[in-house]
Amino acid sequence: EPEVTQTPSHQVTQMGQEVILRCVPISNHLYFYWYRQILGQKVEFLVSFYNNEISEKSEIFDDQFSVERPDGSNFTLKIRSTKLEDSAMYFCASSDLFGLMFFGSGTQLSVL
Amino acid sequence: GESVGLHLPTLSVQEGDNSIINCAYSNSASDYFIWYKQESGKGPQFIIDIRSNMDKRQGQRVTVLLNKTVKHLSLQIAATQPGDSAVYFCAEMGGGGSNYKLTFGKGTLLTVNP
Repeated sequence: EPEVTQTPSHQVTQMGQEVILRCVPISNHLYFYWYRQILGQKVEFLVSFYNNEISEKSEIFDDQFSVERPDGSNFTLKIRSTKLEDSAMYFCASSDLFGLMFFGSGTQLSVL
Repeated sequence: GESVGLHLPTLSVQEGDNSIINCAYSNSASDYFIWYKQESGKGPQFIIDIRSNMDKRQGQRVTVLLNKTVKHLSLQIAATQPGDSAVYFCAEMGGGGSNYKLTFGKGTLLTVNP
């Protein structure tokens, strides 16, 4: 069964450092997303991406965040200068033409 | 405020019983809802979806009911098993085309006792 894969599963970084979270969406999907979940809270939308550009982004997705599809299979989320409050589980998702989203297992980001 | 919310944060059932998890939404224009299951340390896993032109949809051991009049949907799990223990989220799909966006509720923790 096709699935969204994310690496690494855990990332520990120092405040102010840059991190890149990586995702391989389902191969025939065209829409890609990042969501995050702070411990004990609901899953929150960050950004959607289609046709090599951002479709929509939330208030959380400020200038410190960026996304990229560097090749035909990877989709990345970069945080330029991490803050303590960026600590969360980050989920990548992809969807088909009808919008049904499938999520990866997430990257647990810990900012110290 | 959030447009999708859950009535109960926790639900504990005995193995073999049926489980019902409820969810309310506030946007009467919402037309697509999805239930996700999230096990500890994993991403949300699709369970079942329903569009607003339906009021019931069945899957394997799961049924989703949608009541548009009172803006309420529920997830019914038949013969609940220990493997069903997880957090269940209802989510509303907004946007369309290149702007799909899920708005999640807070989640209900389902605990199945053997």
